[in-house]
Amino acid sequence: DTGVSQDPRHKITKRGQNVTFRCDPISEHNRLYWYRQTLGQGPEFLTYFQNEAQLEKSRLLSDRFSAERPKGSFSTLEIQRTEQGDSAMYLCASSSGTNTYEQYFGPGTRLTVT
Amino acid sequence: AQSVTQPDIHITVSEGASLELRCNYSYGATPYLFWYVQSPGQGLQLLLKYFSGDTLVQGIKGFEAEFKRSQSSFNLRKPSVHWSDAAEYFCAVATTSGTYKYIFGTGTRLKVLA
Repeated sequence: DTGVSQDPRHKITKRGQNVTFRCDPISEHNRLYWYRQTLGQGPEFLTYFQNEAQLEKSRLLSDRFSAERPKGSFSTLEIQRTEQGDSAMYLCASSSGTNTYEQYFGPGTRLTVT
Repeated sequence: AQSVTQPDIHITVSEGASLELRCNYSYGATPYLFWYVQSPGQGLQLLLKYFSGDTLVQGIKGFEAEFKRSQSSFNLRKPSVHWSDAAEYFCAVATTSGTYKYIFGTGTRLKVLA
């Protein structure tokens, strides 16, 4: 068990560009979460997958954001036409079906939009 | 609606002094509560959790927290702070229906004076 991993750890992009982040959850964890953390704030929920199904999306997730978990394993979060307000830490977490309340967090991807 | 309040944005203590970080939650049912620590630029590390049972919970790094239902509080304590404890601390509550997503407080930044 290597924990939740995220790639890349840091991403600097210019406004208007598209970016994609990847999250690899703990193997056999069927629940996967994305959170966003802006400077000086706590993480805020973005979206949730159970296996490959995206079951909830926050209102924070504008139509420029899309997330997938195609085979119920890794997940990607894509931001199209990035804006400076998208600059944040994007955190991924996973949990198992038998211990649903305990989420394990990855190290995060820090996005800077210039 | 569920919420978590951390009233103290910044706290400064001297090394060796005791510490208490406050957390108040708003939730109708029995809450599932967590404290996380985050060093600059890093992900979240779980300090401790409360699901049920004994209301005094022991965690890692010498931290403990006490669940008080009557006060809707889950305050984090440490008897003697070390300089390495300087970080940001987040309290969180897990929703208990549907997604089991976390709701985080805004965090308390701890500064430790030598």
